[in-house]
Amino acid sequence: DAGVTQSPTHLIKTRGQHVTLRCSPISGHKSVSWYQQVLGQGPQFIFQYYEKEERGRGNFPDRFSARQFPNYSSELNVNALLLGDSALYLCASSFRQDSTDTQYFGPGTRLTVL
Amino acid sequence: GQQVMQIPQYQHVQEGEDFTTYCNSSTTLSNIQWYKQRPGGHPVFLIQLVKSGEVKKQKRLTFQFGEAKKNSSLHITATQTTDVGTYFCAGRASGTYKYIFGTGTRLKVLA
Repeated sequence: DAGVTQSPTHLIKTRGQHVTLRCSPISGHKSVSWYQQVLGQGPQFIFQYYEKEERGRGNFPDRFSARQFPNYSSELNVNALLLGDSALYLCASSFRQDSTDTQYFGPGTRLTVL
Repeated sequence: GQQVMQIPQYQHVQEGEDFTTYCNSSTTLSNIQWYKQRPGGHPVFLIQLVKSGEVKKQKRLTFQFGEAKKNSSLHITATQTTDVGTYFCAGRASGTYKYIFGTGTRLKVLA
């Protein structure tokens, strides 16, 4: 089985632009979480989606939004990009929304904002 | 808000030496997970601890969850160069879905 996939791998944007990042979970997994990892720090929780509904949200501004599709894939959208949004964006999938479930991370999308 | 700290931030060891990283949460945790992230890679799940005082072993790795469920540790016996990477703990408080990742411990193993 394929693991979690994310696209694109790398992305360069300028301040004020908008970006859409995509994630396909492991087949059969219904929960997707998004994390932001700034260089040298641990991943910071952004959102969790389960069965197309938002189940949790981290301390991120409204410029960050996400959604989950019927096939359980997910998109993370960031509007009005700031320099500080430069980071590795990680998607993690799990079978259930049960918080004791194992999270499987994708390779991430490296976003650079100039 | 909930905070999870790890010490040390960095650790350099000679191959064959032992290594320990400690994870401390500001709030009581429902469960804790440990991840390893290689340079340039993504976090890879290692193990989960749920019960107070729980101890789990994976070959040379030993994981502990504190009695108060506010701290945890990862101990590696006889480190190898393949152990290089950053080790993160991630704790979840009761009633929440989100995991708070620790600050990480970066391990370098000198051959």
